[in-house]
Amino acid sequence: GDSVTQMEGPVTLSEEAFLTINCTYTATGYPSLFWYVQYPGEGLQLLLKATKADDKGSNKGFEATYRKETTSFHLEKGSVQVSDSAVYFCALSFSGGGGADGLTFGKGTHLIIQP
Amino acid sequence: GAVVSQHPSRVICKSGTSVKIECRSLDFQATTMFWYRQFPKQSLMLMATSNEGSKATYEQGVEKDKFLINHASLTLSTLTVTSAHPEDSSFYICSARVRLASQETQYFGPGTRLLVL
Repeated sequence: GDSVTQMEGPVTLSEEAFLTINCTYTATGYPSLFWYVQYPGEGLQLLLKATKADDKGSNKGFEATYRKETTSFHLEKGSVQVSDSAVYFCALSFSGGGGADGLTFGKGTHLIIQP
Repeated sequence: GAVVSQHPSRVICKSGTSVKIECRSLDFQATTMFWYRQFPKQSLMLMATSNEGSKATYEQGVEKDKFLINHASLTLSTLTVTSAHPEDSSFYICSARVRLASQETQYFGPGTRLLVL
């Protein structure tokens, strides 16, 4: 079946450091890919998405590029802030881009940014 | 933005009792809601798709008689864990599907932590 693998945390960085959270997937066909973020005490929020190969999703300084050849969707940010501390989930769906069907999630990566 | 609430946020119950969890879309209508389950340090696992006015669609391996889903209105879906046992202890998360700017997306509730003693 479909699955998503992401690096396990916690990942601890200093403010203004460069961030990479790795995500790879296994799926039959070409899914849409997503990154969700969960801040403490809140629900998951869509951070960014990409619906086809070579698409780049971006939001709030975060970026991820859909790499079909490596089945990856790594999350990056050039300079993290304390407010980026949260749990980040990589996910896939075959809904056609809208994230409108059930999602297959990775286990989540807890990111801690220290001042 | 679209807000989804869940109630209760956490519940502790005795083995053998039933527990109802509510999922509400506060400022929009949702014909489809989803229920997920998350074990500690594990992925969110889709349990079922809840459609307003019709029966829920359950994922393989999820007992429909154990996890009763009712989507009686466009803003409310409920998940009832019947005859709960300790192995049902988990974090249950709902999401609601909405169409905005010609795109559909999911908005998630904050989750409900269930502990069965």
